[in-house]
Amino acid sequence: DTAVSQTPKYLVTQMGNDKSIKCEQNLGHDTMYWYKQDSKKFLKIMFSYNNKELIINETVPNRFSPKSPDKAHLNLHINSLELGDSAVYFCASTDRGNSPLHFGNGTRLTVT
Amino acid sequence: QKEVEQDPGPLSVPEGAIVSLNCTYSNSAFQYFMWYRQYSRKGPELLMYTYSSGNKEDGRFTAQVDKSSKYISLFIRDSQPSDSATYLCAMSVSNAGGTSYGKLTFGQGTILTVHP
Repeated sequence: DTAVSQTPKYLVTQMGNDKSIKCEQNLGHDTMYWYKQDSKKFLKIMFSYNNKELIINETVPNRFSPKSPDKAHLNLHINSLELGDSAVYFCASTDRGNSPLHFGNGTRLTVT
Repeated sequence: QKEVEQDPGPLSVPEGAIVSLNCTYSNSAFQYFMWYRQYSRKGPELLMYTYSSGNKEDGRFTAQVDKSSKYISLFIRDSQPSDSATYLCAMSVSNAGGTSYGKLTFGQGTILTVHP
C-alpha cells in the first residue's frame, strides 16, 4: 500500500491551461505539504496544511491554490500555467510529533 | 548564498568504497538534520534523522553533525550499486510539531553512482 500517493504521475499541458494535482495519504498524519523540485533537483516548500488549515505559504504565485478537503487529502490547482512551472511536484505528510516527512513519488509537470 | 550548500557531484565510486557526502549551512537556528535518498523518478525517502551534534549510525550509514562548524556529513560504508541515487541533506528549525511545521530546507543533492 502506497503511503502518500499522487495523481497524475505525469502531466503534459500547454501554457495558459489550468490543471490540478491530487494527493492522498493513508498514514493518519495531520499535516501535509507541497514541495517543488526544479530541473536542478532543488526541493523547495510551497505550502503546508495542518488539519485542513493553511499554515505555511511560501512565496508562491497566487496562480497556485492548494485545497485540503480533509486531513488525508491535499490538492494543488494551478491556473494559467507558464513554462517556468515545469517541475516535479511532491506531496508529503507528517504527524505533529517527531516524525520527519514522508514523500509521494511526485507529479512530473511539463508545460509546453 | 543559499542557506544550505551541497556539492551536486556527480560522484562515482567503485563497489565497496566508503562514500562521504557533505553539506554546509549558514542558518544557526537549524536544529534538526536529515539525509534523504532519492532514486530516479521516485520521491525522497528518509535515511537518517538527527537532532544533536555527534554521530548516529544505522547499518552501513553514519550521519555526523557538527553544529559549531555548521557542517553535516553522511558516510556510506561498503557501498553497493543499489546505493546509486541522489542524496539530499535537509534541515529544519524545529521538528514537525514545532513552529516550523516540518518546513525543510534542502541542499541541492549529490548524484552518487556506485559501479560494480
